[in-house]
Amino acid sequence: AQSVSQHNHHVILSEAASLELGCNYSYGGTVNLFWYVQYPGQHLQLLLKYFSGDPLVKGIKGFEAEFIKSKFSFNLRKPSVQWSDTAEYFCAVNAGSSASKIIFGSGTRLSIRP
Amino acid sequence: EAGVAQSPRYKIIEKRQSVAFWCNPISGHATLYWYQQILGQGPKLLIQFQNNGVVDDSQLPKDRFSAERLKGVDSTLKIQPAKLEDSAVYLCASSLDPSSLNEQFFGPGTRLTVL
Repeated sequence: AQSVSQHNHHVILSEAASLELGCNYSYGGTVNLFWYVQYPGQHLQLLLKYFSGDPLVKGIKGFEAEFIKSKFSFNLRKPSVQWSDTAEYFCAVNAGSSASKIIFGSGTRLSIRP
Repeated sequence: EAGVAQSPRYKIIEKRQSVAFWCNPISGHATLYWYQQILGQGPKLLIQFQNNGVVDDSQLPKDRFSAERLKGVDSTLKIQPAKLEDSAVYLCASSLDPSSLNEQFFGPGTRLTVL
Protein backbone atom coordinates (compact mmCIF):
# COMPACT_ATOMS: atom_id res chain seq x y z
CA ALA A 1 0.00 0.00 0.00
CA GLN A 2 1.10 3.53 -0.67
CA SER A 3 2.15 5.71 2.27
CA VAL A 4 3.64 9.15 2.75
CA SER A 5 5.95 10.24 5.58
CA GLN A 6 6.58 13.80 6.65
CA HIS A 7 9.11 13.60 9.43
CA ASN A 8 8.96 17.21 10.59
CA HIS A 9 5.74 17.93 12.44
CA HIS A 10 6.54 21.56 13.31
CA VAL A 11 9.27 23.73 11.85
CA ILE A 12 10.07 27.19 13.18
CA LEU A 13 12.21 29.56 11.12
CA SER A 14 13.08 33.22 11.01
CA GLU A 15 12.28 35.35 7.97
CA ALA A 16 14.82 35.02 5.15
CA ALA A 17 15.93 31.59 6.33
CA SER A 18 16.02 28.76 3.81
CA LEU A 19 13.40 26.04 4.01
CA GLU A 20 13.42 22.35 3.26
CA LEU A 21 10.51 20.11 4.27
CA GLY A 22 11.03 16.40 3.93
CA CYS A 23 8.65 13.99 2.21
CA ASN A 24 9.21 10.29 1.58
CA TYR A 25 6.78 7.87 0.01
CA SER A 26 6.56 4.14 -0.30
CA TYR A 27 5.58 2.79 -3.71
CA GLY A 28 7.79 1.06 -6.21
CA GLY A 29 6.07 2.04 -9.42
CA THR A 30 5.29 5.26 -11.25
CA VAL A 31 4.00 7.97 -8.92
CA ASN A 32 2.46 11.40 -9.13
CA LEU A 33 3.53 13.73 -6.34
CA PHE A 34 1.96 16.83 -4.84
CA TRP A 35 2.50 19.48 -2.22
CA TYR A 36 -0.59 21.16 -0.81
CA VAL A 37 -0.63 24.16 1.52
CA GLN A 38 -3.21 25.41 4.00
CA TYR A 39 -2.75 28.99 5.15
CA PRO A 40 -4.44 29.97 8.44
CA GLY A 41 -8.18 30.23 7.93
CA GLN A 42 -7.99 29.26 4.27
CA HIS A 43 -8.74 26.22 2.13
CA LEU A 44 -6.26 23.53 1.27
CA GLN A 45 -4.70 24.46 -2.07
CA LEU A 46 -2.21 22.98 -4.52
CA LEU A 47 1.32 24.37 -4.26
CA LEU A 48 2.99 22.25 -6.95
CA LYS A 49 2.85 18.83 -8.57
CA TYR A 50 5.11 16.37 -10.39
CA PHE A 51 3.90 13.92 -13.01
CA SER A 52 6.87 13.37 -15.32
CA GLY A 53 9.81 15.11 -16.95
CA ASP A 54 12.13 17.50 -15.14
CA PRO A 55 12.41 16.24 -11.54
CA LEU A 56 12.79 19.82 -10.29
CA VAL A 57 9.32 21.32 -10.14
CA LYS A 58 8.57 24.98 -9.54
CA GLY A 59 5.35 26.06 -7.89
CA ILE A 60 3.67 29.22 -6.71
CA LYS A 61 5.20 31.76 -4.36
CA GLY A 62 8.81 30.74 -5.03
CA PHE A 63 8.48 27.16 -3.84
CA GLU A 64 10.10 24.25 -5.60
CA ALA A 65 10.39 20.52 -5.02
CA GLU A 66 12.77 17.90 -6.28
CA PHE A 67 11.76 14.34 -7.08
CA ILE A 68 14.59 11.92 -6.30
CA LYS A 69 13.41 8.52 -7.41
CA SER A 70 16.30 6.59 -5.84
CA LYS A 71 15.47 8.07 -2.44
CA PHE A 72 11.67 7.93 -2.82
CA SER A 73 11.67 11.58 -1.84
CA PHE A 74 9.94 14.79 -2.90
CA ASN A 75 11.28 17.50 -0.61
CA LEU A 76 9.88 21.02 -0.68
CA ARG A 77 12.29 23.96 -0.72
CA LYS A 78 12.28 27.73 -0.66
CA PRO A 79 15.50 29.75 -0.54
CA SER A 80 14.14 32.59 1.60
CA VAL A 81 10.92 32.31 3.59
CA GLN A 82 8.56 35.13 4.46
CA TRP A 83 6.22 35.57 7.39
CA SER A 84 3.32 34.94 4.98
CA ASP A 85 4.59 31.39 4.40
CA THR A 86 3.29 30.43 7.83
CA ALA A 87 0.98 27.53 7.06
CA GLU A 88 0.57 23.78 7.15
CA TYR A 89 2.15 21.86 4.28
CA PHE A 90 1.01 18.44 3.10
CA CYS A 91 2.85 16.10 0.79
CA ALA A 92 0.68 13.68 -1.20
CA VAL A 93 1.17 10.84 -3.64
CA ASN A 94 -0.81 8.62 -5.91
CA ALA A 95 0.24 5.69 -8.01
CA GLY A 96 0.53 6.05 -11.77
CA SER A 97 -3.04 4.96 -12.44
CA SER A 98 -5.00 8.10 -13.16
CA ALA A 99 -7.99 7.07 -11.13
CA SER A 100 -6.18 6.01 -7.98
CA LYS A 101 -6.71 8.00 -4.85
CA ILE A 102 -4.30 10.54 -3.41
CA ILE A 103 -2.66 9.63 -0.11
CA PHE A 104 -1.70 12.56 2.10
CA GLY A 105 1.09 12.79 4.64
CA SER A 106 0.38 13.98 8.16
CA GLY A 107 1.52 17.51 7.41
CA THR A 108 4.24 19.89 8.61
CA ARG A 109 3.32 23.06 10.42
CA LEU A 110 5.62 25.90 9.43
CA SER A 111 5.88 28.93 11.70
CA ILE A 112 7.88 31.96 10.56
CA ARG A 113 9.14 34.46 13.11
CA PRO A 114 8.93 38.02 11.77
CA GLU B 1 -15.17 31.32 -10.36
CA ALA B 2 -16.98 30.24 -7.20
CA GLY B 3 -15.15 27.67 -5.11
CA VAL B 4 -16.34 24.52 -3.39
CA ALA B 5 -19.04 25.37 -0.86
CA GLN B 6 -19.66 23.42 2.33
CA SER B 7 -22.12 23.76 5.17
CA PRO B 8 -22.31 23.93 8.05
CA ARG B 9 -18.84 25.18 8.95
CA TYR B 10 -19.06 23.90 12.51
CA LYS B 11 -21.19 21.27 14.21
CA ILE B 12 -21.26 20.01 17.77
CA ILE B 13 -23.30 16.91 18.59
CA GLU B 14 -23.45 14.25 21.25
CA LYS B 15 -22.42 10.69 20.56
CA ARG B 16 -25.10 8.49 19.03
CA GLN B 17 -26.73 11.51 17.36
CA SER B 18 -26.93 11.91 13.59
CA VAL B 19 -25.36 14.63 11.48
CA ALA B 20 -25.29 15.58 7.81
CA PHE B 21 -22.89 17.70 5.81
CA TRP B 22 -23.52 19.33 2.46
CA CYS B 23 -21.15 20.11 -0.40
CA ASN B 24 -21.61 22.00 -3.65
CA PRO B 25 -18.65 21.50 -6.00
CA ILE B 26 -17.30 23.89 -8.60
CA SER B 27 -19.65 24.10 -11.56
CA GLY B 28 -18.75 21.58 -14.25
CA HIS B 29 -16.61 19.39 -12.01
CA ALA B 30 -17.65 15.80 -12.52
CA THR B 31 -15.63 14.32 -9.68
CA LEU B 32 -16.39 14.94 -6.02
CA TYR B 33 -14.44 13.73 -3.00
CA TRP B 34 -15.16 13.59 0.73
CA TYR B 35 -12.16 13.49 3.06
CA GLN B 36 -11.88 13.10 6.82
CA GLN B 37 -9.07 15.01 8.51
CA ILE B 38 -8.45 14.10 12.13
CA LEU B 39 -6.40 16.57 14.17
CA GLY B 40 -2.69 16.08 13.52
CA GLN B 41 -3.22 13.94 10.43
CA GLY B 42 -3.53 14.52 6.73
CA PRO B 43 -6.85 14.22 4.88
CA LYS B 44 -8.05 10.65 4.33
CA LEU B 45 -10.33 9.88 1.40
CA LEU B 46 -13.73 8.55 2.47
CA ILE B 47 -15.55 8.41 -0.84
CA GLN B 48 -15.11 9.54 -4.45
CA PHE B 49 -17.96 10.17 -6.90
CA GLN B 50 -17.80 10.43 -10.66
CA ASN B 51 -21.01 12.26 -11.56
CA ASN B 52 -23.59 10.38 -9.47
CA GLY B 53 -21.71 7.08 -9.32
CA VAL B 54 -19.31 5.89 -6.62
CA VAL B 55 -15.72 5.34 -7.81
CA ASP B 56 -14.09 4.48 -4.47
CA ASP B 57 -15.66 4.04 -1.04
CA SER B 58 -13.18 1.53 0.31
CA GLN B 59 -12.37 3.63 3.39
CA LEU B 60 -15.92 4.69 4.21
CA PRO B 61 -17.19 3.10 7.47
CA LYS B 62 -20.40 1.93 5.87
CA ASP B 63 -22.02 0.82 9.11
CA ARG B 64 -22.43 4.47 10.12
CA PHE B 65 -21.39 6.69 7.21
CA SER B 66 -23.33 7.21 4.01
CA ALA B 67 -23.02 9.63 1.13
CA GLU B 68 -24.99 10.44 -1.96
CA ARG B 69 -24.76 12.62 -5.02
CA LEU B 70 -28.13 11.95 -6.56
CA LYS B 71 -28.12 14.46 -9.42
CA GLY B 72 -24.39 14.44 -9.99
CA VAL B 73 -23.92 17.93 -8.59
CA ASP B 74 -24.09 18.57 -4.86
CA SER B 75 -23.55 15.88 -2.28
CA THR B 76 -24.39 15.02 1.32
CA LEU B 77 -22.38 12.99 3.79
CA LYS B 78 -24.21 11.54 6.79
CA ILE B 79 -23.05 9.95 10.01
CA GLN B 80 -25.57 7.90 11.97
CA PRO B 81 -24.91 7.31 14.83
CA ALA B 82 -21.83 9.41 15.57
CA LYS B 83 -18.98 8.20 17.76
CA LEU B 84 -16.40 10.22 19.68
CA GLU B 85 -13.70 9.20 17.17
CA ASP B 86 -15.66 10.86 14.35
CA SER B 87 -14.56 14.27 15.63
CA ALA B 88 -12.66 15.70 12.68
CA VAL B 89 -12.81 18.18 9.83
CA TYR B 90 -14.76 16.85 6.86
CA LEU B 91 -13.44 18.23 3.60
CA CYS B 92 -15.15 18.20 0.26
CA ALA B 93 -13.13 18.58 -2.94
CA SER B 94 -13.92 18.52 -6.65
CA SER B 95 -12.03 18.14 -9.89
CA LEU B 96 -12.90 18.18 -13.57
CA ASP B 97 -12.56 14.41 -13.80
CA PRO B 98 -10.90 11.56 -11.86
CA SER B 99 -7.56 11.89 -13.58
CA SER B 100 -4.77 12.70 -11.17
CA LEU B 101 -3.61 15.24 -13.74
CA ASN B 102 -6.48 17.44 -12.68
CA GLU B 103 -6.12 19.55 -9.57
CA GLN B 104 -8.48 18.89 -6.71
CA PHE B 105 -10.09 22.06 -5.32
CA PHE B 106 -11.00 21.94 -1.64
CA GLY B 107 -13.81 23.56 0.30
CA PRO B 108 -13.42 25.17 3.73
CA GLY B 109 -14.46 22.02 5.56
CA THR B 110 -16.94 21.25 8.33
CA ARG B 111 -15.46 20.89 11.79
CA LEU B 112 -17.39 18.21 13.70
CA THR B 113 -17.08 17.81 17.44
CA VAL B 114 -18.70 14.76 19.01
CA LEU B 115 -19.17 14.99 22.79
